[in-house]
Formats: sequence, structure tokens, C-alpha cells
Amino acid sequence: AQSVTQLDSQVPVFEEAPVELRCNYSSSVSVYLFWYVQYPNQGLQLLLKYLSGSTLVKGINGFEAEFNKSQTSFHLRKPSVHISDTAEYFCAVTQGWSGNTPLVFGKGTRLSVIA
Amino acid sequence: GAVVSQHPSWVICKSGTSVKIECRSLDFQATTMFWYRQFPKQSLMLMATSNEGSKATYEQGVEKDKFLINHASLTLSTLTVTSAHPEDSSFYICSAREGATGKDTEAFFGQGTRLTVV
Repeated sequence: AQSVTQLDSQVPVFEEAPVELRCNYSSSVSVYLFWYVQYPNQGLQLLLKYLSGSTLVKGINGFEAEFNKSQTSFHLRKPSVHISDTAEYFCAVTQGWSGNTPLVFGKGTRLSVIA
Repeated sequence: GAVVSQHPSWVICKSGTSVKIECRSLDFQATTMFWYRQFPKQSLMLMATSNEGSKATYEQGVEKDKFLINHASLTLSTLTVTSAHPEDSSFYICSAREGATGKDTEAFFGQGTRLTVV
């Protein structure tokens, strides 16, 4: 079975400062990893994904994440945050290539950007 | 990217009534859709996997008689909350993956439905 641990439930950070949101996963097989962002009362928007290849993945809105197999981590980073980045961020994992395998989510990290 | 449309975005209903939530894949066919429930400030919990033309697969602890799922076509799945009670109030989100042929593993999400039972 897969699981995802997001180590920080809340991360406050000042505007224009860098941020890292941590995510660790457990799985006995190869996995595919995702980061999603959720704004209040909305669905989820994909930030980036790791399927294979380069371990450094670049996404939208200036976010990037690095897949580290030995540490089973997929931490999300942004060098300079904006007020508009304030939202809930979810790390997710799936091990299925086909369309009938759901994503398993972490508990989320609330990023609060302070002016 | 692909679009998943969920309707309604919010609904208020009286205790004891039933509410139907629709989830449509607008530009792709989804043989499988997923229904999640999200409590305030918590993560998404998978409720069930909806399979086109067959019965849904429910996660442990989810009452299948209470949360009826129908996946009548390749682009539509519905979740009906029957005899709703205040504890059913939550944010429900559907998801579909366009990966039936291995083309892509990205999951697309509906906008979510905020259900409030009074």
C-alpha cells in the first residue's frame, strides 16, 4: 500500500522569501508523484508531476520539485513566493499507469504568505 | 489539459432529503472516475471508484447505500447522497484520469461541491 506524509501542516513565510514544502512517500513499487494546489472552495490544480526521467521537475507558477528515490521524498520548492501563492498544497502518489488507479493524498500543507 | 466539470458547486438541503452531484469529463472519455470527500482543513479521502457500466468500488467505511454512485456513460458519473444528515456536510470532489491507454497519468479534478445539510 502507498502512503504520503506531508511533514508540515502549516508553513508561514514572508513574501519574496523562498519556501520548501516537504513530502515523503512509502511504496514497495515504482510510483508517480504529484503536487496539487487548492484554493478555498475550489478543486485541485496540478502544479507538477514526476513520471520518470529527470528528478528535477519544473511546474507552473515558478514551482519545482525534486524526486529523491533514496530518501523517498518529493519536496516542493519556490525561490520567491507571492501573496497569491497562499493556498493548500497536496502531495499525491499513484503506482498505476492505467486510468483506474486513484491518487493517494497527503494531509496537505497550508502555505500562508505574509506581506 | 482535459476538463472535468462538477455540478452543482454548492448545495444546501434539508436533513432527510437526497442530493445528486454530477461529474462530467468534457473532452475525454473516462471509464473510471473517483469520488473524494474532504473535511474542513483536511486531506481528500477516497470514497469510491466509479466504473462505467458496472458497480462502484467503495472504500472501507463508506456506506454504499448512503452514497449511491452511478456511472452510466463514459463521460458522466453521479454521486447521490441519500437521506442526508448534517454529518454528511462536506466538500465532495470528483476526479478522472485520462490514462486508460497509458497516454497520461494525470488526474483531473472537478471544481468540487460544497454540501451543507441543515
